[in-house]
Amino acid sequence: EAQVTQNPRYLITVTGKKLTVTCSQNMNHEYMSWYRQDPGLGLRQIYYSMNVEVTDKGDVPEGYKVSRKEKRNFPLILESPSPNQTSLYFCASSFSQGIDTQYFGPGTRLTVL
Amino acid sequence: GESVGLHLPTLSVQEGDNSIINCAYSNSASDYFIWYKQESGKGPQFIIDIRSNMDKRQGQRVTVLLNKTVKHLSLQIAATQPGDSAVYFCAERSASKIIFGSGTRLSIRP
Repeated sequence: EAQVTQNPRYLITVTGKKLTVTCSQNMNHEYMSWYRQDPGLGLRQIYYSMNVEVTDKGDVPEGYKVSRKEKRNFPLILESPSPNQTSLYFCASSFSQGIDTQYFGPGTRLTVL
Repeated sequence: GESVGLHLPTLSVQEGDNSIINCAYSNSASDYFIWYKQESGKGPQFIIDIRSNMDKRQGQRVTVLLNKTVKHLSLQIAATQPGDSAVYFCAERSASKIIFGSGTRLSIRP
C-alpha cells in the first residue's frame, strides 16, 4: 500500500530535549516536505527536499533541521525544542517538486512543556 | 480526532446543494494551485489541482476556478454530501515552496 508513515504519532517532551520525528514513504517520491499546523494558521512549510542530499527552507524553518540521506526517509530534528514548537506536524511526499499530488502522513502531535 | 482549526471560517450548506469555497492567494508568480480536504484526525487529502495557464478544471463532482487577475481560487462541490464535511485548504506553489491558505470548514445540514 502506497503511504507516508510518521513516528511517533504523539509525543510529549520538555524544553531543550532533542527529538527526531521520522518520516518514510514507499512510493519512490523525489519531493518530501514537512509542515506544521496550528489553529487558524493552516499548514506552514518548514523544510522541503527535492531529492537526496537536497534540502531547502520553507516558510518557518527556525528551530528545525532535516536530512535526506536516502530517498525514502526525511526526518525532522528539533535540537532544542521550545514550547512554541508545540504543534501538529505533517510529512508529505510527491513524485516531483510539489507539482503533482502530495501524499500526507497521519500527523505527529508534539507537545513541548 | 485532532482539532485542525478552532476559529476557521465556516460554510454551512444544505445536503444536496452546491458548495462554493473561496480562496485568495498571495503570490502572482505562483504557477500551480491545489485544493486539499482534511477530515478530523487525518492529514490533508488531494482533491483537485490547476495550473496557472488554465482558468477552470473539472473533476468528479468538483470544479476549480482560477482568476489570476484578482488572485482568486474557488472550489465548487456539486450535490454536497455528508462525507464532504471537512476543512478545505487551498495551496499555491511558488518556486518550489507550497503555501497553504488558512482553511474553510464545510458543514453539512441534513
